[in-house]
Amino acid sequence: GENVEQHPSTLSVQEGDSAVIKCTYSDSASNYFPWYKQELGKRPQLIIDIRSNVGEKKDQRIAVTLNKTAKHFSLHITETQPEDSAVYFCAASSGNNRLAFGKGNQVVVIP
Amino acid sequence: EPEVTQTPSHQVTQMGQEVILRCVPISNHLYFYWYRQILGQKVEFLVSFYNNEISEKSEIFDDQFSVERPDGSNFTLKIRSTKLEDSAMYFCASTRAGWSRNYEQYFGPGTRLTVT
Repeated sequence: GENVEQHPSTLSVQEGDSAVIKCTYSDSASNYFPWYKQELGKRPQLIIDIRSNVGEKKDQRIAVTLNKTAKHFSLHITETQPEDSAVYFCAASSGNNRLAFGKGNQVVVIP
Repeated sequence: EPEVTQTPSHQVTQMGQEVILRCVPISNHLYFYWYRQILGQKVEFLVSFYNNEISEKSEIFDDQFSVERPDGSNFTLKIRSTKLEDSAMYFCASTRAGWSRNYEQYFGPGTRLTVT
């Protein structure tokens, strides 16, 4: 089955700087890659997703890039703010709607 | 904005007991899921459900687990005889997608299951 790896496990950034989280996946049939943000004690919230027919997608301060050849995708957060502090999960799916998640990345934005 | 809801938020049970975790998916959604997250580990897929039957299940979803849509709104996960290693956060999710089309999965707030 699909195996998703996520790096780094913890990321600290100064407020206003950019944060980048990288994920790799193993199944070349995967074609859908969502990112979820989970604040402490709350549900995972979908923040952005990308399908395999595009290489990049942007939504305000958040962007995701996908490299199908290398089987990796990344989340970019620009101009980080304290409310961006959370755990971020990447995931991959091959069309069966079953999501395979990474282990999560704790992002800490230092004011 | 509609949300997936789950009850209870926290369930404590003794080893060997049966538990039922309840979920109310978003009303016009077609696909329902259960995931679990053991503390400090990744979110893991358990089962997907469509058209009143299981469409896919993982190796975790053994004979101790079952799912049901008893009425038009609820979606339940039953663990027949709980084990210590079943302690985890259980998330329900739903999506409006049909087969082979990836649509956003919306997650509930989770039920924390503690088996003692």
